[in-house]
Amino acid sequence: DIQMAQSPSSLSASVGDRVTITCRASQGIGTYLAWLQQKPGKAPKSLIYAASNLQSGVPSKFSGSGSGTDFTLTINSLQPEDFATYYCQQYHTHPYTFGQGTKLEIK
Amino acid sequence: EVQLVESGGGLVQPGGSLRLSCATSGFTFSRYSMNWVRQAPGKGLEWVSYITSGSNIKYYADSVKGRFTISRDNAKNSLFLQMNSLRDEDTAVYYCATYYGDYDYWGQGTLVTVSS
Repeated sequence: DIQMAQSPSSLSASVGDRVTITCRASQGIGTYLAWLQQKPGKAPKSLIYAASNLQSGVPSKFSGSGSGTDFTLTINSLQPEDFATYYCQQYHTHPYTFGQGTKLEIK
Repeated sequence: EVQLVESGGGLVQPGGSLRLSCATSGFTFSRYSMNWVRQAPGKGLEWVSYITSGSNIKYYADSVKGRFTISRDNAKNSLFLQMNSLRDEDTAVYYCATYYGDYDYWGQGTLVTVSS
């Protein structure tokens, strides 16, 4: 199985900050990577597909990059509604696997 | 408006069975592969199962292989998950979803609690 190592597991930041979350796959996955956001008590929401493509309606403050084994999610100008848990997921090879999540908290 | 509505969750004893359903509307269900994703209380997301649009290919997480069966009825725009031999560790909110392209469709989740 492909393992997804996501870091950091938690992150404290202030409103207006820029943050970066990384995800490393245990083997190459091309660009078959999604980033998801989840708020407490809510279903996850896809932000980015194919490593760098923004889902419709997702603000351009979110961006993704990478290919192969190393990927990043960058969030610019943090706003209160951005504080949530973020997950990466590879969909290159079954079983599709998630990273362990990054909880983004307000400093 | 796209809607996915899961049902069928509840409290079941270890070793028991449940059948989850996901009723969809607002998109052409028959064109999309579908997934079940679960989340144990206080834990991260876990992909559970996948089915192609035509039901010809199905995949399962190792943790549920041999116990869970995914299926769909394209005529009724519905997705199913038959869960047998349930274990304590299957306790989770179960979501039906599809999102590996320029679309992002999720249900609200249904809670399955396995406990004696």
